[in-house]
Amino acid sequence: AQSVTQLDSQVPVFEEAPVELRCNYSSSVSVYLFWYVQYPNQGLQLLLKYLSGSTLVESINGFEAEFNKSQTSFHLRKPSVHISDTAEYFCAVSEDDKIIFGKGTRLHILP
Amino acid sequence: DGGITQSPKYLFRKEGQNVTLSCEQNLNHDAMYWYRQDPGQGLRLIYYSQIVNDFQKGDIAEGYSVSREKKESFPLTVTSAQKNPTAFYLCASSMDGGTQYFGPGTRLTVL
Repeated sequence: AQSVTQLDSQVPVFEEAPVELRCNYSSSVSVYLFWYVQYPNQGLQLLLKYLSGSTLVESINGFEAEFNKSQTSFHLRKPSVHISDTAEYFCAVSEDDKIIFGKGTRLHILP
Repeated sequence: DGGITQSPKYLFRKEGQNVTLSCEQNLNHDAMYWYRQDPGQGLRLIYYSQIVNDFQKGDIAEGYSVSREKKESFPLTVTSAQKNPTAFYLCASSMDGGTQYFGPGTRLTVL
C-alpha cells in the first residue's frame, strides 16, 4: 500500500523568501502525484498534479513541484512567498481508485 | 456553475443522535468520497463510491453509513456508534478515480 510522508508539520518562512515543502511517497511504481492547498475552514483545492511527461509541474500562482522517481519525492517549491500563501498544504499519491494523503504541512508566512 | 456542495457548513449534535451530512455534485463525476479531517492527522477516508448503488468502506468506516442512490448525491450519516464524531468532514468527487475535487466541508460538533 502507498504511503505519503510530509516531513515537516509546520514551516515558518519570511515573506518574499523561498520555501520548499517536502514530500516522499513509498512506491516507485507508476503513480499520479498531487499537491492540494487548504485555507482555514475551507475544502482542499488542487494546486498542481503530475500525471506523466515533464517532471516539473507548475501552478498558476508561482508554485512548482518536481517528480523525482529515483528518490520517490515530489517536493513543492516557491521562489518568493506572499502572506496570502498562508495555508496548509497536502501532498497526495494515487493508489488504484483512491488517493492517499499526507498529514499536511502548515505554511506560516512571517512579516 | 459546476461544483460540489456540502451542507450544512456547521452542524451540532447531541450525544446519541444520528446526523446526516449532505454532499451534491453537478460535475457528472462517477466517483465520490467522504473524508474526516482532524488536526495534525490529515485526511482519512471513510467511504467511497465509484458508481451509483455501490460503495466501499475506507479506513475508518465504523460508526458511519452512506448511500448512493443518485449519481449527484452521496450523503453521509454519522451514527451514535461513532464514539468521537467531532471533526471536519470533506466530500470529494472525481471523474475516473484520479484527480479529486473537494466541497467546502461540514464542521460537526457533538455537544
